[in-house]
Amino acid sequence: AQSVTQLGSHVSVSEGALVLLRCNYSSSVPPYLFWYVQYPNQGLQLLLKYTSAATLVKGINGFEAEFKKSETSFHLTKPSAHMSDAAEYFCAVSSNSGYSTLTFGKGTMLLVSP
Amino acid sequence: NAGVTQTPKFRVLKTGQSMTLLCAQDMNHEYMYWYRQDPGMGLRLIHYSVGEGTTAKGEVPDGYNVSRLKKQNFLLGLESAAPSQTSVYFCASSSGGGISEAFFGQGTRLTVV
Repeated sequence: AQSVTQLGSHVSVSEGALVLLRCNYSSSVPPYLFWYVQYPNQGLQLLLKYTSAATLVKGINGFEAEFKKSETSFHLTKPSAHMSDAAEYFCAVSSNSGYSTLTFGKGTMLLVSP
Repeated sequence: NAGVTQTPKFRVLKTGQSMTLLCAQDMNHEYMYWYRQDPGMGLRLIHYSVGEGTTAKGEVPDGYNVSRLKKQNFLLGLESAAPSQTSVYFCASSSGGGISEAFFGQGTRLTVV
């Protein structure tokens, strides 16, 4: 069984401030971890993914995430927020076990103020 | 390059009516998925397929049926719509499970009155 918990349904930051979106996972097998972004009235698109090659993963638009096995976490960060980063962010988990599918967290809405 | 295309984009149904949502992908992907998105609930998997002619239940399959007669198409059916099925439905596809990136359609907003 696998699950994802995203802490905070909404996160507000000022433009230029650090972005930190939290994700904790539960998995009985080594996980693959993903962050997806959803802009208003659009589908989801991949930001980055962890596949065990490196614990610090860099994605698109300046985002990165660090896999911490001891904390079962995969938090998403960006040093300086832009107005265009305002969107909903979803953490997701899968595995290499059988026909594994993505299990999503409930999402975190990022609000960026000028 | 169209990617994943969902038809229709919007639909209003009366309780008890039936409808089919169509998903088409042009990336030759083996896996296809149907999710529903509800406020505060994230995306929940309804059904999925790991290849042409196969289907499997996801987390919330009740009230829905699916078919994958052709590799590029994945149909989601509602036989007797209920207000609880008011949601935004997303189709996605991937080359495989596990490590593979999922590509999403633009969504179908369904309202059941």
